[in-house]
Amino acid sequence: DADVTQTPRNRITKTGKRIMLECSQTKGHDRMYWYRQDPGLGLRLIYYSFDVKDINKGEISDGYSVSRQAQAKFSLSLESAIPNQTALYFCATSDLASGRTGELFFGEGSRLTVL
Amino acid sequence: AQSVTQLGSHVSVSEGALVLLRCNYSSSVPPYLFWYVQYPNQGLQLLLKYTSAATLVKGINGFEAEFKKSETSFHLTKPSAHMSDAAEYFCAVSESSGYNKLIFGAGTRLAVHP
Repeated sequence: DADVTQTPRNRITKTGKRIMLECSQTKGHDRMYWYRQDPGLGLRLIYYSFDVKDINKGEISDGYSVSRQAQAKFSLSLESAIPNQTALYFCATSDLASGRTGELFFGEGSRLTVL
Repeated sequence: AQSVTQLGSHVSVSEGALVLLRCNYSSSVPPYLFWYVQYPNQGLQLLLKYTSAATLVKGINGFEAEFKKSETSFHLTKPSAHMSDAAEYFCAVSESSGYNKLIFGAGTRLAVHP
């Protein structure tokens, strides 16, 4: 089983719908992240969380919200999806040691298409 | 502010040829530098990292990268390409002073042909 699991792996939805992407991890890491990948733009940070009570905005948080339900769970929500949120979304984790050097552990991605 | 530039969004090599993927960074403080690889339909995995120890860093699958401060570069090389090396490669930078988020380059897609 994957250490960092994302659900769903693929989702097609319509403009205006609410969407939640979920991430769970078994690595025991305290830090979790949501990134968005677009062709030609690399990965951009949406939100990150150092622990259950700590949530921080990344560089492209507008239109997104997150919830850290437990140390092992970090979900990303799109309250009202729009077509330019069509992208590949990655959850990642790190602990204090790996996070200090920037090493992240990624899930397999959730491909979201907004029509 | 930190940034990463990867020269060439697509690189194509023959099997057995040298692989060279270019990465230049900008950072006002000593950086940590990374190469991640993404195989089709998979997440990213760490290939190698520079964290201020040896400037020549060896990674998995025969890849290596050299940190050159004077050139602000961290190019990725492999002497002999394998078909299995076909993937997308991302260079990334973070600040060495405490935690900072990872800044990724746009990625380079490597194609290996027979």
